[in-house]
Order: sequence, then C-alpha cells, then structure tokens
Amino acid sequence: QVRLVQSGPEVKKPGDSMKVSCKSSVYTFDVYYIHWVRQAPGRGLEWMGWINPHNGATRYAQKFQGRVTMTMDTSISTVYMQVSSLSSDDTAVFYCARTDDDLDPFDVWGQGTVVTVSS
Amino acid sequence: EIVLTQSPGTLSLSPGERATLSCRASQSVSDSYVAWYQQKPGQAPRLLMYASATRATGFPDRFSGSGSGTDFTLTISRVEPEDFAVYYCQHSGSSPRTFGQGTKLEIK
Repeated sequence: QVRLVQSGPEVKKPGDSMKVSCKSSVYTFDVYYIHWVRQAPGRGLEWMGWINPHNGATRYAQKFQGRVTMTMDTSISTVYMQVSSLSSDDTAVFYCARTDDDLDPFDVWGQGTVVTVSS
Repeated sequence: EIVLTQSPGTLSLSPGERATLSCRASQSVSDSYVAWYQQKPGQAPRLLMYASATRATGFPDRFSGSGSGTDFTLTISRVEPEDFAVYYCQHSGSSPRTFGQGTKLEIK
C-alpha cells in the first residue's frame, strides 16, 4: 500500500523559510502528482499547489505564488516544499497528498507536518 | 476561483439518524470533479467520495453522494459512532482546487 511519509515538526521565526519533505513508499514515485495542502489551527483545508515528479512541472495557487517552491529528488522518491517569508499566518499543518493526474481527487495523504511560526 | 459553501456548519445527530450535508458551488462544476473527505481529530483527511457519487475504498454503503451543477450532497443513511468527524467537499476541475469550509458532524 502506498504511503506518504512527511518530515517532522518545525518551529520557525517570522521571516524565516521552511522546507518540508514528503517521501513515497513506492517505487513508481514519478507517475503521480504530489500536492500540498495547508490547514491552519481549527481551520479548513487550503490547496497550495502541485508538482509532477515525472517532469518537474509545478503549479501553484496564486495566493502562494512567489513564496512557495516545490522540488523533487526522484532518486529517493521525495518531494520538497519550501515556503519563504513566514508569518504567524503560516502556523499550520502541511499535508502532502497524491493524485493520479492534475484533476483527480487526493487518494493518499501524508501524516502532516506541524509548522509553528512564532517570535 | 470557485467558492464552495458547506451547510450546516455543525450537524448534531444521534447514532442511527440520517445525516444530510450540503455543498454549494459559486458556479457550475462538473460532477466528475467533486469529492468529499472525512477528517477525524489529529488525522489527515481521508478520501470518502469522488466523482460526486463514487465511494472510496473502505467506506460502507451507508455513505452516498449526489448532485450536479452547483449543488452537491453527502448523505449518511444511519450515522454510526465512527462517523462523527468533519467532512469537506472539494472541486478539482479547475485551478485553484478549493475546499468547502467543512461540516462538523457531532454527537447529539
């Protein structure tokens, strides 16, 4: 069964950058899109963007454009998301999630990475 | 951007009752690209329903989905104790994907 395993919790200061990882447990890592979803405490789900590990193509939600960068290392089946210029509004759980293609639903989710931004 | 509005915000029911959760889109969306997720406290969301009316693996047939255009519904015919959670609808037919704000199904 496919699993997505995310990196551990982080504590950052305002203005810092963060980089979280999402590792796939299966060999055919590059046939799926990997998306990132943010969930602030007590709030709903917010889609941030995706990366296609097959070719490195990315698409970001306009809200995060310029502040988010998604990259990959196919040799270790891992996708990364870097977010710069952190503020307290970025205190959230960040999930990676998989889709078969751009328009499919998220059928596998990572366990989430808690990021706390505080001075 | 398509805005999804879920109602009610909180639904208080007793086990065995019927639950009807609504998701309304700000513009028409294809039912092929509407999904529902279940999220329990401290857990990642879990895909429950996709293409509006197709149950994901592991969910029993007391869960059903329907809808078209701008109005979509998730129904639980008889709520079981393990069904108390937050439910989100989502569309994926255009960018950005958006989620509804969620409906919390709580024990009455």
